[in-house]
Amino acid sequence: GAGVSQSPSNKVTEKGKDVELRCDPISGHTALYWYRQSLGQGLEFLIYFQGNSAPDKSGLPSDRFSAERTGGSVSTLTIQRTQQEDSAVYLCASSFTGGPNYGYTFGSGTRLTVV
Amino acid sequence: KQEVTQIPAALSVPEGENLVLNCSFTDSAIYNLQWFRQDPGKGLTSLLLIQSSQREQTSGRLNASLDKSSGRSTLYIAASQPGDSATYLCAVRADSWGKLQFGAGTQVVVTP
Repeated sequence: GAGVSQSPSNKVTEKGKDVELRCDPISGHTALYWYRQSLGQGLEFLIYFQGNSAPDKSGLPSDRFSAERTGGSVSTLTIQRTQQEDSAVYLCASSFTGGPNYGYTFGSGTRLTVV
Repeated sequence: KQEVTQIPAALSVPEGENLVLNCSFTDSAIYNLQWFRQDPGKGLTSLLLIQSSQREQTSGRLNASLDKSSGRSTLYIAASQPGDSATYLCAVRADSWGKLQFGAGTQVVVTP
């Protein structure tokens, strides 16, 4: 596609429920990143994919968070048993190869509110 | 651990003035530095990417400099317009995987 697409754009969920956030990167981009933007916390790295593999998961805040990528394309970030502190904007970015000569294209994000 | 700081946190200028936004980082071993713009409720739009071997990059009214040895980058926006109002974020790429370390941003308001 022309840009990075994320869905849903907004999600309100009850505490304790599971949620799935989707990212559709630019076609041909092998590198995909998830970030989280919370009020007062700035942008935090969550996980990096190269193809379908995730060589860096160091930013996932707990084992309630998981992510996968299939076909070297679409990625899904899953949060189980959501907590109020999970409320944030979740941003996805893709890059052509992930190499230093290439920049990143971000999606518009999914705003998650846990009530 | 790499830390990225942006000063000032907020800036308000009248239309037509030049904008100067500062970014500093603690570890000079970076691959590149990128400036982004974020509008309220939106994602990030890439503005300029400076490789570690470069001193500056220019695009239209935007110019970004990089002094890796002193851990500083400056984004200049010439002849500001109300449409430049947004939050500007700098990010350094400090590892081979491409993970970005972001500053907290500078919120800019350009008044007509």
